[in-house]
Amino acid sequence: ETGVTQTPRHLVMGMTNKKSLKCEQHLGHNAMYWYKQSAKKPLELMFVYNFKEQTENNSVPSRFSPECPNSSHLFLHLHTLQPEDSALYLCASSQEAPAVLGYTFGSGTRLTVV
Amino acid sequence: LAKTTQPISMDSYEGQEVNITCSHNNIATNDYITWYQQFPSQGPRFIIQGYKTKVTNEVASLFIPADRKSSTLSLPRVSLSDTAVYYCLVGPKNAGNNRKLIWGLGTSLAVNP
Repeated sequence: ETGVTQTPRHLVMGMTNKKSLKCEQHLGHNAMYWYKQSAKKPLELMFVYNFKEQTENNSVPSRFSPECPNSSHLFLHLHTLQPEDSALYLCASSQEAPAVLGYTFGSGTRLTVV
Repeated sequence: LAKTTQPISMDSYEGQEVNITCSHNNIATNDYITWYQQFPSQGPRFIIQGYKTKVTNEVASLFIPADRKSSTLSLPRVSLSDTAVYYCLVGPKNAGNNRKLIWGLGTSLAVNP
């Protein structure tokens, strides 16, 4: 596989559930990102990992917990979410962070919290 | 922080040239201009990047005037498959800068038959 792969593509979860989103990149990049995209809002950067180290957390609620075990994999652990957390969650990678050049995005996970 | 302003939506017809302009009045000296395309339920896809004057690739052209306070993405002879949201992004190219990159709402382009 090439590029950035996200699983699952769709996820419906209750507010008391615990779930995880997975992202994998096969590009040899050193930086990975989680973005949130809600309807009629700009993309919101949530977390940045550069060489496996978290370098940015943009005031994201603790019910979102990222994990980056290596430069190729990124997870977003979800627990006790709220309906307003329903959105498209995008993973991206780049050669290093921060970068405007060379963002490669996955297709996203469409999350619905019920 | 470089803020960008784009039209919310545009309409066009197949075979026409489409120009989408982005304003970025407070662009910094070391900022580059990058355009992305996004289809529904997919992540944004890199289209083109430039610093000044004109850049062209197999997909689009990017025109940047001398003052760099705006830029125009030009899509030649659009087809129905070019219907998407187009984002203009301004920010530094090199690592080591912690400035936050701000995504706007993008321009929703509708190509009609």
